[in-house]
Amino acid sequence: DARVTQTPRDKVTEMGQEVTMRCQPILGHNTVFWYRQTMMQGLELLAYFRNRAPLDDSGMPKDRFSAEMPDATLATLKIQPSEPRDSAVYFCASGLGPPNTEAFFGQGTRLTVV
Amino acid sequence: AQSVTQLDSQVPVFEEAPVELRCNYSSSVSVYLFWYVQYPNQGLQLLLKYLSGSTLVKGINGFEAEFNKSQTSFHLRKPSVHISDTAEYFCAVRVSNDYKLSFGAGTTVTVRA
Repeated sequence: DARVTQTPRDKVTEMGQEVTMRCQPILGHNTVFWYRQTMMQGLELLAYFRNRAPLDDSGMPKDRFSAEMPDATLATLKIQPSEPRDSAVYFCASGLGPPNTEAFFGQGTRLTVV
Repeated sequence: AQSVTQLDSQVPVFEEAPVELRCNYSSSVSVYLFWYVQYPNQGLQLLLKYLSGSTLVKGINGFEAEFNKSQTSFHLRKPSVHISDTAEYFCAVRVSNDYKLSFGAGTTVTVRA
């Protein structure tokens, strides 16, 4: 059963600490997305990659957020330093380019910054 | 740039009644359209998608949606809902020459007995 795997599922951290969220896309998928979900803003696209190269990261606060794909089986989203306003659920999704265009979502990482 | 508007933020409905969730999009080029469902504390799951061809698309769990190009709409319908359909529903759009998937604000469906 192919699925996108995100770790950790839950993370509580203190303000100022570094947070790293990991995502294992579905094997063979060449597009990876990072979304953030909050009650106020809904689903926001932070960044997405095609064949491990960043295509668009304009949705990310550049000063504290960074996203990378060290290899085809791992995507990371890092926040340093974390702030309370970063509290949200972060979703990773993977997919193929057109014509198979849907994205498959992971279960999310619920981040709480206190 | 493409955008999606979900016209209803909350839709209460009684069990076994029909439901329609409205979605409008804007784009100057051809698009692919999707509906996703999110159950509490879970990720998003694809309900159905429109890529091309027949404008009436059938998905999982008895849902269907109709693509209307002239009205730039992609409304989701189910003729008879169950308690288990209580969830948040998201409409999403991708333009045909891009990988970016943009989501609407979501519609919360609450099914009551």
